[in-house]
Amino acid sequence: NAGVTQTPKFRVLKTGQSMTLLCAQDMNHEYMYWYRQDPGMGLRLIHYSVGEGTTAKGEVPDGYNVSRLKKQNFLLGLESAAPSQTSVYFCASTPTGLLGGYTFGSGTRLTVV
Amino acid sequence: GQQVMQIPQYQHVQEGEDFTTYCNSSTTLSNIQWYKQRPGGHPVFLIQLVKSGEVKKQKRLTFQFGEAKKNSSLHITATQTTDVGTYFCAGLDNYGQNFVFGPGTRLSVLP
Repeated sequence: NAGVTQTPKFRVLKTGQSMTLLCAQDMNHEYMYWYRQDPGMGLRLIHYSVGEGTTAKGEVPDGYNVSRLKKQNFLLGLESAAPSQTSVYFCASTPTGLLGGYTFGSGTRLTVV
Repeated sequence: GQQVMQIPQYQHVQEGEDFTTYCNSSTTLSNIQWYKQRPGGHPVFLIQLVKSGEVKKQKRLTFQFGEAKKNSSLHITATQTTDVGTYFCAGLDNYGQNFVFGPGTRLSVLP
């Protein structure tokens, strides 16, 4: 089983460029999440989805957009990248959201110069 | 909003020593999860605690949920070099829809 797959694994952007991070899961999970991880700050929730066609804002949503057109995919978009968005981005999924552990992808390391 | 804190931020131990990390919440939690992240890796789910005063064990790891459901601890007995990594707790309060992660405790084990 692949679990949760994130692409790309690494990316360098120039300030103002846009990009999309792809997360795909093959476990038929309903809930999917996008987190960013910065040194000393743990994991902060950007956006999440409780099912196909739904999205909601998390703790730090500004500068990001998401889409969940298919149950297995959750896309994270950066419309105009800023150096403050340099981070490691993790996607996660869970069957129900409240009573199951999250399965995380291997992460995308993004640098904005 | 809900805040989850962890102490210590860093811990260096000699192989064979015990290790404990503590997780504290500003609000009462309905349940709490623990994750381990190896250096350069991604968080991996370890366990979930739901009941007040609950204690669960996984080999050398002991997890405890406080009686008031506002704190939790992870204790590792006789650490090994394979225990190296950052341990995160994540708490869900009674009104929240998502787990809030603590900042983590980074464990180093010296051989």
